[in-house]
Amino acid sequence: DIVMTQSPDSLAVSLGERATISCKSSQSVLYSSDNKNYLAWYQHKPGQPPKLLIYWASTRESGVPDRFSGSGSGTDFTLTISSLQAEDVAVYYCQHYYSSPTWTFGQGTKVEIK
Amino acid sequence: EVQLVESGGGLVQPGGSLRLSCAASGFTFSSYYMTWVRQAPGKGLEWVANINQDGSDKPYVDSVKGRFTISRDNAKNSLYLQMNSLRAEDTAVYYCARYYSLMAPFDYWGQGTLVTVSS
Repeated sequence: DIVMTQSPDSLAVSLGERATISCKSSQSVLYSSDNKNYLAWYQHKPGQPPKLLIYWASTRESGVPDRFSGSGSGTDFTLTISSLQAEDVAVYYCQHYYSSPTWTFGQGTKVEIK
Repeated sequence: EVQLVESGGGLVQPGGSLRLSCAASGFTFSSYYMTWVRQAPGKGLEWVANINQDGSDKPYVDSVKGRFTISRDNAKNSLYLQMNSLRAEDTAVYYCARYYSLMAPFDYWGQGTLVTVSS
């Protein structure tokens, strides 16, 4: 099974500053036949269901603010919040969907306001 | 509007059983793969089981194999999770979610239902 490892486990960022989360997979999630990275990012706020933010590593889901961006390829990926807002406080998870039938998540990164 | 509404959670003793349901609306349920994902208290998200459109393919995470059964009723737009031989470590909020193809992200999630396994 592919193991997803996020860093850091938590970070505190001032309002308006940049937040950067790393996600590494134990094997490549780049599918050679379509040159797509099978990697998604989710935002999870307390008392709410997880929300899909980014898929194919860098494509924003409809309605997601453009301060959220995803990058990377192969085994190394990054979620960036360019200017942290109060409503962005949440736990963020990466997830691969490369090898069915198992879809593993990273352990999560908690983002707080400094 | 896409809606997924879970029900059936509650308190159950170790070794007991529980059946979770997920009622879907606002989309063509029979066209989508469905999944159950759980979050134990203070822990991260863990994929539990998937089911394809006609129910013929149903993979599970190793920790629930032989104890949990995922199923669906496309006529009732409903997804189910039968949980038997429950253990304390199965305590979690259980979410249902949908995805549109075999290798796709989970684009809509329900609000979740809490399962507590305790004596």
